[in-house]
Amino acid sequence: AQRVTQPEKLLSVFKGAPVELKCNYSYSGSPELFWYVQYSRQRLQLLLRHISRESIKGFTADLNKGETSFHLKKPFAQEEDSAMYYCALTTSFGNEKLTFGTGTRLTIIP
Amino acid sequence: EADIYQTPRYLVIGTGKKITLECSQTMGHDKMYWYQQDPGMELHLIHYSYGVNSTEKGDLSSESTVSRIRTEHFPLTLESARPSHTSQYLCASRRQGIEGNTIYFGEGSWLTVV
Repeated sequence: AQRVTQPEKLLSVFKGAPVELKCNYSYSGSPELFWYVQYSRQRLQLLLRHISRESIKGFTADLNKGETSFHLKKPFAQEEDSAMYYCALTTSFGNEKLTFGTGTRLTIIP
Repeated sequence: EADIYQTPRYLVIGTGKKITLECSQTMGHDKMYWYQQDPGMELHLIHYSYGVNSTEKGDLSSESTVSRIRTEHFPLTLESARPSHTSQYLCASRRQGIEGNTIYFGEGSWLTVV
């Protein structure tokens, strides 16, 4: 069974400080990992996926298969980063479900 | 414009009423999903579909049912709504390509059962 764990429900960071949102997963095959963001009163939207190895809005995330982690990082937090962040996992084979973690609410303190 | 649409966005209904939440996508995606989400909480997969005439139950048991008669349409129905069904319901569809998978979400349907 596939599972995603986000250990922090709430995270507060000062503006300009580094941000790290943790995500760990369990899956026996080769997963695809994503970070989704939900700003206040907006729909859930894709922020990053590991396969693209890109940086979006200053955020990066590296898939660490040894530690089964996909932590989201940003060196300098901005006020507009305040949102709900969800880590998600899917597969290209088998049941192909998209499984989400419980989410982390990030608040940037001015 | 390619997108995924959900209607109604907001609905308040009485206990015992039948309700259908509509979801349509114009991207030709085969795989579609329904999630239930309480405000600020995690998303629970309640139904998914691989394509026309294919539906599966998700991880969270739900009294709702779904159908997939057309590729673009994936409605969710509650035969007899109860206050415990009050929640936000999110529809999603999935594009699968050589660059990987991308999942698109609708804006959600907020259901309140009184």
